[in-house]
Amino acid sequence: IAGITQAPTSQILAAGRRMTLRCTQDMRHNAMYWYRQDLGLGLRLIHYSNTAGTTGKGEVPDGYSVSRANTDDFPLTLASAVPSQTSVYFCASSEAVGGGEDTQYFGPGTRLTVL
Amino acid sequence: GQNIDQPTEMTATEGAIVQINCTYQTSGFNGLFWYQQHAGEAPTFLSYNVLDGLEEKGRFSSFLSRSKGYSYLLLKELQMKDSASYLCAVRDSNYQLIWGAGTKLIIKP
Repeated sequence: IAGITQAPTSQILAAGRRMTLRCTQDMRHNAMYWYRQDLGLGLRLIHYSNTAGTTGKGEVPDGYSVSRANTDDFPLTLASAVPSQTSVYFCASSEAVGGGEDTQYFGPGTRLTVL
Repeated sequence: GQNIDQPTEMTATEGAIVQINCTYQTSGFNGLFWYQQHAGEAPTFLSYNVLDGLEEKGRFSSFLSRSKGYSYLLLKELQMKDSASYLCAVRDSNYQLIWGAGTKLIIKP
């Protein structure tokens, strides 16, 4: 069982280019999340999906879009990358069956540099 | 606004005990989490508190006081592999996690 996988591991991107970060989980979790992590700041939620077919905006959604066509995949797209989107991006998932602990489990991350 | 505060960095000695504090001000409270994150790796779950008191898991314990907006993570019998960042996160009224910036723990032999 792989858990959560992310691709690519790292990427250097020219400003203005379009980029999709991939995230796949094999735990049949209902909820998935995209965070960015920047030095000196806590993880910040970009977008989330409570179940397949639905998505929601987090704390820092501008410049990013997501889709959730099925339970396993939750891609994050940067339509036109800017240098301020240089960050480490983590995908996470949780069971989200209602109440309780609902721990989030994280993928290995994608390190993105926008020049 | 919502805020999670934790010390930026702490240093401790191998074999000793260290306490990492976390204070929070959030819109609602639906549980507090501690995660460990080694450099260059993903955060991994350590503990969850939703009621006041102490939760113990081996060498790690976590305490919560909801009335004080306060939690701590206690690490006993420190090992070199415990060198990592420790992240405190609170689930708010929207059931989203609000994260602290993390505490970098340095273990010295």
